[in-house]
Amino acid sequence: DIQMTQSPSTLSASVGDRVTITCRASQSISAWLAWYQQKPGKAPKVLIYKASTLESGVPSRFSGSGSGTEFTLTISSLQPDDFATYYCQYYNNCFGGGTKVEI
Amino acid sequence: EVQLVQSGGGLVQPGGSLRLSCAASGFIFSNYWMSWVRQAPGKGLEWVANIKQDGSQKTYVGSVKGRFTISRDNAKNSLYLQMNSLRAEDTAVYYCTRDEQWGQGTLVTVSS
Repeated sequence: DIQMTQSPSTLSASVGDRVTITCRASQSISAWLAWYQQKPGKAPKVLIYKASTLESGVPSRFSGSGSGTEFTLTISSLQPDDFATYYCQYYNNCFGGGTKVEI
Repeated sequence: EVQLVQSGGGLVQPGGSLRLSCAASGFIFSNYWMSWVRQAPGKGLEWVANIKQDGSQKTYVGSVKGRFTISRDNAKNSLYLQMNSLRAEDTAVYYCTRDEQWGQGTLVTVSS
């Protein structure tokens, strides 16, 4: 079974910071990876799909990269609305453990 | 536009059964793997099960093996999750998913 390891689990940052979250797969998953943002009490929202494609309507400060076993989600300049929990997912399969981005 | 509309869910006693349904539209359903995902209160996202396009391959997370059954009806563009022997720890919002597209979610509460 493929495992997804996400780091860090918690990230403290300030508005304007560049933030990077990493997701590692236990074996190659090509580019079959999505990134989600979730705020308390809300359903997850897709940010990035197929590792690097920005979902329509998502601000361009979000970007995804990687393939194979190592992936990153980058927020180029953190905004107040970005404080949330982020998850990676291998398509139709397991999730990373989540990264809570807090002030 | 891809749409995944869920139904089912609700309150059930421990040991009971429930069936979730997901009606798909806006894409060729029979071309895609489909999955169920859940999120328990205050917890992270957990993948539950997936099913191949023709239903010939199904995979489950360990905690539901032998209790949950994923199935699909390509003629009806529908996905199902039959949940038996439900436990308190199965309490969660359940989502039907196709790749990065998700249904609206449905709450399953297992409690006496």
